[in-house]
Formats: sequence, structure tokens, C-alpha cells
Amino acid sequence: KAGVTQTPRYLIKTRGQQVTLSCSPISGHRSVSWYQQTPGQGLQFLFEYFSETQRNKGNFPGRFSGRQFSNSRSEMNVSTLELGDSALYLCASSLGGAEETQYFGPGTRLLVL
Amino acid sequence: AQSVTQLDSHVSVSEGTPVLLRCNYSSSYSPSLFWYVQHPNKGLQLLLKYTSAATLVKGINGFEAEFKKSETSFHLTKPSAHMSDAAEYFCVVSDQGGYGGSQGNLIFGKGTKLSVKP
Repeated sequence: KAGVTQTPRYLIKTRGQQVTLSCSPISGHRSVSWYQQTPGQGLQFLFEYFSETQRNKGNFPGRFSGRQFSNSRSEMNVSTLELGDSALYLCASSLGGAEETQYFGPGTRLLVL
Repeated sequence: AQSVTQLDSHVSVSEGTPVLLRCNYSSSYSPSLFWYVQHPNKGLQLLLKYTSAATLVKGINGFEAEFKKSETSFHLTKPSAHMSDAAEYFCVVSDQGGYGGSQGNLIFGKGTKLSVKP
């Protein structure tokens, strides 16, 4: 099976712009979770989608949003970018049940100038 | 609430010597615990997973971890380090919410960078 794919892999934006990141899960996986990784804060959970519904959300401002399509692909949007949004954004997919293992994509590295 | 603490931010070993990466957890429920590895500029790869079936968990690339409830620990070990093991390792607990079920939220430790000297 193909792994989790994320596009684009690298992105440069300026403050105030918005950005959309895409994640395609492993075939058959219905849950997609998003994480932000920064040197200062480490890996932090953003949100999780299951069957097109947001099932759980971390402590991030409303500028961070997401959605999931019927084919389980997910997008994450960040509006009004700030310098502090520069990070590696990772998505992970799983079957979605309790104790299911999450499999991670390679990430999208976002640089905000 | 669940949490994990990785006791060392950096560990350095010589090739061929044992590796020990320490992790303590806090959980109100029987936890699901994981170790993930991240090589530079790469995503996270699952090394191993504990879900109460056995206290000694064997993972990929010769790594294993032992769940010790009395010590609330889940240390990662490998008998003999290889140069390719140099990476950052994350101890992770699955947030089980208020009802003991996974909510898709993994809680990560701060990470331990493993250096392997020739």
C-alpha cells in the first residue's frame, strides 16, 4: 500500500497570506490527524477528522482549520499567516478505531516571511 | 490527563554499544504507548506500540521497549547501536479522553536526539 502523502513538501509564504496543505491517507484509512512541529513547542496536535467530521481539536486559534472529503483526503488551511506559523506540518492516518496506530506522512515545511 | 516525559534530550553512544532512551508516562487509564523515530527532514516512523497485550514489546530495527506499570516507564532499548540509528526519538501516549477510547490525539514527548559515534 502507498503511504501517507502530503503536498506540497515545501512552501514559502509572507505574513498575512493564507495557505492550504493537502494530505492523502493510506487507502482504507478514515481518520486523518494534523500536527504542528516546531523547535520550541515540539509536536502538537491540531485536529482530527473522521468520516468528514472533525472529531477532536487541539489548542490552536481559529485561523487553523481543516476539512475532510468523502475519499478521506484532508486539507488544512491557515489564514492570516504569522511568523510563528513557520513549522513542519505533519498529517497522520489511521483506521480510526480506539488504539489504532497512526501512520505519518513526510510533512509540509512552511516558512512564513 | 495523559502526558509523557522523556528524561534525556540528547544521548550519545558508540557504535556497537547498547542504547537506552528513557520515558515516563502519566495516564489515568491503561495507556497506549508508542515510540516513533524521525530522521532528519523526514516524517515520523513507528518503531513499536504497547497496548497491554505484552509488557515487552519488540519493534523494528532491533528496538524493544518494556512497559513497567509500577514505575510508569516505557524505556526504549537496543542491544547494539548502528550508525543509521542516529535520529530523534519520540515517546508518545494516545489521548484516551474521558471514556478510555482513542480520540486521534497523540501526545508527544519533547524528543531525545540519539547520536552514534563511530
